[in-house]
Amino acid sequence: GESVGLHLPTLSVQEGDNSIINCAYSNSASDYFIWYKQESGKGPQFIIDIRSNMDKRQGQRVTVLLNKTVKHLSLQIAATQPGDSAVYFCAENIPGANSKLTFGKGITLSVRP
Amino acid sequence: NAGVTQTPKFRILKIGQSMTLQCTQDMNHNYMYWYRQDPGMGLKLIYYSVGAGITDKGEVPNGYNVSRSTTEDFPLRLELAAPSQTSVYFCASIPPGSYGYTFGSGTRLTVV
Repeated sequence: GESVGLHLPTLSVQEGDNSIINCAYSNSASDYFIWYKQESGKGPQFIIDIRSNMDKRQGQRVTVLLNKTVKHLSLQIAATQPGDSAVYFCAENIPGANSKLTFGKGITLSVRP
Repeated sequence: NAGVTQTPKFRILKIGQSMTLQCTQDMNHNYMYWYRQDPGMGLKLIYYSVGAGITDKGEVPNGYNVSRSTTEDFPLRLELAAPSQTSVYFCASIPPGSYGYTFGSGTRLTVV
């Protein structure tokens, strides 16, 4: 099975609300985590990353939280906008793997106007 | 910089045909990767390369071949196309010591 997975396949939120996308990983050796956004017909785009020695990292309207105790990663999007509608993937890196990332299945975020 | 460029964007192949998916990057990245993305699934690594002349298998290499004669180019070859290879293929690159992939826009391949 996959070592990185997402709890829910779809998430629908009202425009302006905050979104929380969750991800579970199973490899405790993973040292780096990334969130990607994929819009329809496009390749994944880097959103934000976090190293395993951190618990939280903030970007513009996005925050990633890492809970190593329960191997859980989340992406929070503040004031969700229609342009945030996309599929979101979490990915993990295992040290020594030549920077090969393991991706989760993806969750679709749908923003209601 | 154009980033990572993939061609073609779409292709329909008949079973048994062969084709090459092209990938080129102009960022002088050493590391390049080929992933496939099936509907409702995450990305699966097919092959990767850490530099010119060096390639290695990923999670799902069967039915594919790669070469890396230059830093810029990393083509993916399908020799005998099968319906199971219907997928969207993404090429990505990063500089050494980094993890933030730059992805191409993908090639949507259908094998009928």
